[in-house]
Amino acid sequence: NAGVTQTPKFQVLKTGQSMTLQCAQDMNHNSMYWYRQDPGMGLRLIYYSASEGTTDKGEVPNGYNVSRLNKREFSLRLESAAPSQTSVYFCASKGEGAFSPLHFGNGTRLTVT
Amino acid sequence: DAKTTQPTSMDCAEGRAANLPCNHSTISGNEYVYWYRQIHSQGPQYIIHGLKNNETNEMASLIITEDRKSSTLILPHATLRDTAVYYCIVRVETSGSRLTFGEGTQLTVNP
Repeated sequence: NAGVTQTPKFQVLKTGQSMTLQCAQDMNHNSMYWYRQDPGMGLRLIYYSASEGTTDKGEVPNGYNVSRLNKREFSLRLESAAPSQTSVYFCASKGEGAFSPLHFGNGTRLTVT
Repeated sequence: DAKTTQPTSMDCAEGRAANLPCNHSTISGNEYVYWYRQIHSQGPQYIIHGLKNNETNEMASLIITEDRKSSTLILPHATLRDTAVYYCIVRVETSGSRLTFGEGTQLTVNP
């Protein structure tokens, strides 16, 4: 039982390049989330998906797109990377039930030069 | 979701209790208090949650004031491995609703 798996762990991009961050969970959770964390700051929600086939914007969605490919997978795409998108990206999932906690992956550390 | 206020940083001696406060004066009746922590370079980890009664699990205790406007997370015997950023979050418990993190409290446990 791997929980929430993120790939890649590290990535360096040049300004203007595109890439997709992958996230998969094996806990049969309906809800999935993408957060970013900048140095010394808390987590900020980029996008979330309450169920397969639905996605919604969070606090900081500009410059990102998401795809809920199926129940297991929720990907985050940067179409044209900018230095301001240098950050650590965390994916999380949450099960059904009133008190299910969020389960987080260990993050993707992205640097845009 | 109600806004929360936490101290930026706290220190605690190893083996002593760590008491982390959180103010949530605008909390509404159907909002729960959640605590997560983030150890350096890892994803956040769920600790505990509560509505109005005090709660205890294997990791910590949660004390919520009677008016529910503030709460305290207690780590009864802090260890060096408890050094982390602790986040207090208040939200309505609706399946699929989003969770918003603030800046949290950096707890440093000293030997």
